[in-house]
Amino acid sequence: SQTIHQWPATLVQPVGSPLSLECTVEGTSNPNLYWYRQAAGRGLQLLFYSVGIGQISSEVPQNLSASRPQDRQFILSSKKLLLSDSGFYLCAWSVIGGRKRLGELFFGEGSRLTVL
Amino acid sequence: AQSVAQPEDQVNVAEGNPLTVKCTYSVSGNPYLFWYVQYPNRGLQFLLKYITGDNLVKGSYGFEAEFNKSQTSFHLKKPSALVSDSALYFCAVRETGGFKTIFGAGTRLFVKA
Repeated sequence: SQTIHQWPATLVQPVGSPLSLECTVEGTSNPNLYWYRQAAGRGLQLLFYSVGIGQISSEVPQNLSASRPQDRQFILSSKKLLLSDSGFYLCAWSVIGGRKRLGELFFGEGSRLTVL
Repeated sequence: AQSVAQPEDQVNVAEGNPLTVKCTYSVSGNPYLFWYVQYPNRGLQFLLKYITGDNLVKGSYGFEAEFNKSQTSFHLKKPSALVSDSALYFCAVRETGGFKTIFGAGTRLFVKA
């Protein structure tokens, strides 16, 4: 079966410090990968998605970047955090092709970032 | 561009009563439509989806949703609510052949015993 892991689960960082959130998927190959941010327990904002190694699409110009160094690894980074970067970050994956789970997203448990 | 609207911030219902959580969407072409549920401090869980075919789709935990193309709606329903259904519910849309799934703002469902 497939699993998705995100870490760290909780992070408190000062303004101006760097950030690295990591996500890995097991049990599948060549998934589509996504980073979402959820602010104040409400709507999800799509930040980045990737359809293959080294292929990153950015949805919102901002202080963050993403990388996909391996097929099942997706990393969210920042060189200098802002207060507005606080939120709940969710990684997700979806299958490519096939009908049974077409379009479904499978989410990790999230990483809560507080920038002080 | 895709968009999803969930007009209600919160829905309150008594246990045993039917529930409806509303969703309307905008997308170019044919949509893929989804409902997800989120419990506190957790990731989202898939409930059900509409890709094509029957307008009434059934999903997990007794939930169902009806696709209405003319009204561009995809409302979530359940005949008899449970207290354990209390959670945050998200409607989402993806364009056919696309990679991006766009979510609504979420509706908090509160089921009172």
